[in-house]
Amino acid sequence: DTGVSQDPRHKITKRGQNVTFRCDPISEHNRLYWYRQTLGQGPEFLTYFQNEAQLEKSRLLSDRFSAERPKGSFSTLEIQRTEQGDSAMYLCASSLVSSGRNPSYEQYFGPGTRLTVT
Amino acid sequence: GNSVTQMEGPVTLSEEAFLTINCTYTATGYPSLFWYVQYPGEGLQLLLKATKADDKGSNKGFEATYRKETTSFHLEKGSVQVSDSAVYFCALRTGTASKLTFGTGTRLQVTL
Repeated sequence: DTGVSQDPRHKITKRGQNVTFRCDPISEHNRLYWYRQTLGQGPEFLTYFQNEAQLEKSRLLSDRFSAERPKGSFSTLEIQRTEQGDSAMYLCASSLVSSGRNPSYEQYFGPGTRLTVT
Repeated sequence: GNSVTQMEGPVTLSEEAFLTINCTYTATGYPSLFWYVQYPGEGLQLLLKATKADDKGSNKGFEATYRKETTSFHLEKGSVQVSDSAVYFCALRTGTASKLTFGTGTRLQVTL
């Protein structure tokens, strides 16, 4: 298993353009998370999925942001009409929540997609 | 709401020096506590964790003890190496919620 992968690793776009990022979680991980990290700050939660269901969205996720996980495997995060304030590292993580008495919530992170909006 | 406060960096140490990075938290309920490390050009990696009061997490010579009375989870290492140079993030997770709340990170630079 190669871990969580994200594509692209870097994206430069002009203000007003739409961008889409992809995250491939560790196989069989049923939870997938998106975080955003700006320079000098820690990651901030955006949203997460359990299988294909989006269970929680942060107030940071404005209506210009949309995330999907259509088949419960990979996920996409789209930002419409990008603004300079969207420049950040977008991190994806996945975890396996087992059905046993002691579920594991360990999150494994991908390398991130660095977005620069000019 | 939940929050994590870390000491500001950068922290610059000579090799073999003792390391402490302070972390305190505010949380509803009984959080699990984590330290993540981010090496240059790489993703976040879980370094250690503790899930209840007085637990000690340890890994790669690093340790942190969950102190409920002081709401702290300070990271320590007895002898740092140049290869430990990275950014360290303290984080928490409460109850059955699976999102992590992170501190702002502390950059550690270890020199020869």
